[in-house]
Amino acid sequence: EAGVTQSPTHLIKTRGQQVTLRCSPISGHTSVYWYQQALGLGLQFLLWYDEGEERNRGNFPPRFSGRQFPNYSSELNVNALELEDSALYLCASSSGTGGTSNQPQHFGDGTRLSIL
Amino acid sequence: AQSVTQLGSHVSVSEGALVLLRCNYSSSVPPYLFWYVQYPNQGLQLLLKYTSAATLVKGINGFEAEFKKSETSFHLTKPSAHMSDAAEYFCAGVRSGGYQKVTFGTGTKLQVIP
Repeated sequence: EAGVTQSPTHLIKTRGQQVTLRCSPISGHTSVYWYQQALGLGLQFLLWYDEGEERNRGNFPPRFSGRQFPNYSSELNVNALELEDSALYLCASSSGTGGTSNQPQHFGDGTRLSIL
Repeated sequence: AQSVTQLGSHVSVSEGALVLLRCNYSSSVPPYLFWYVQYPNQGLQLLLKYTSAATLVKGINGFEAEFKKSETSFHLTKPSAHMSDAAEYFCAGVRSGGYQKVTFGTGTKLQVIP
């Protein structure tokens, strides 16, 4: 069974640019989560999509957005990049719908975003 | 809101010694709890989860955790540390029902000294 896959693995951008990160969940998983892991700041929840709908959102500005496609893959878009957006962006997926919160999340290896 | 606290951002143990990583949760309703491990340049991997079926939960790689409601704790232990256990460990919790987001602790980096 293929795990959660993320692309690209590394990305270098400059301030003000826009970026799109992609995530393919484990087959059969309908929920996709996005997290930001910046150096020294732990794991910060960004977004949660389930069945194509945004179900929950972390405390991030609107320039962080995303969507989930009918095949349950997902994109995270970040506009007007700032230096502090440099981080590892992790995607996770889980099975179950309707907010089945006891299902563990399965993580991809992340996209390392560097802002110059 | 559910919160999870990990005591100690860095823990060092000798190879073969007991590993104890601490996690406390705050909630009036016992939540679902998880421990994840993250190796360098990788995503998080599930070690074990508590979903109220049993208070002592056994996970992968010889780790286990005990849910103690009276102490609101879910500490992770391993009897004998191995060099390969060096990694960052995250405790996470979520309340049941609805689209409750998972809250992660700030992580504990485990160093294993040969």
